[in-house]
Amino acid sequence: SQTIHQWPATLVQPVGSPLSLECTVEGTSNPNLYWYRQAAGRGLQLLFYSVGIGQISSEVPQNLSASRPQDRQFILSSKKLLLSDSGFYLCAGTGSPYEQYFGPGTRLTVT
Amino acid sequence: EDQVTQSPEALRLQEGESSSLNCSYTVSGLRGLFWYRQDPGKGPEFLFTLYSAGEEKEKERLKATLTKKESFLHITAPKPEDSATYLCAVLSNSGYALNFGKGTSLLVTP
Repeated sequence: SQTIHQWPATLVQPVGSPLSLECTVEGTSNPNLYWYRQAAGRGLQLLFYSVGIGQISSEVPQNLSASRPQDRQFILSSKKLLLSDSGFYLCAGTGSPYEQYFGPGTRLTVT
Repeated sequence: EDQVTQSPEALRLQEGESSSLNCSYTVSGLRGLFWYRQDPGKGPEFLFTLYSAGEEKEKERLKATLTKKESFLHITAPKPEDSATYLCAVLSNSGYALNFGKGTSLLVTP
């Protein structure tokens, strides 16, 4: 079975500061990887997904970017955070065949 | 556009009081419907995948069923530890993205 690791668990950042959230996957190779954001009352919103190293697809235009430098590593970044970037960020990876397994999440508060 | 609607938004049950959660969906060619459980402050935990109408899956006190337009998550004789938000999602036509509903928040009281 696969395990998704995310860090940090919580983060408080000022507006305009950069962001880097990291996700790593154990127990599988060449997984599809995903970043979601969950805001109160809005449900889970897919931000990015990746089917391989260096391959990133963006689902919504926003202030964020993603990168996949290694097979089991997925990074979510921003150069300058906005207040609207606050939320609960979740990384997920595919099991078999389409099931997605989620990490513990990062609670980001932009102040 | 794929849509997933869950009802009710919130449900309060007494321990042992069975009930059902609903997930209705509109998608051109269902490729998979997924149920997750999410506890406060944690990532969603995978429960079930259903692929075709008539399919059923069970796990402890939970049973998921699927028709051509909706899925039900039946909870039999719930316990307080079943309290959580239950999320439903459908696989998009791309085969990659999951489109989630907003969830049903379940509270089971002793």
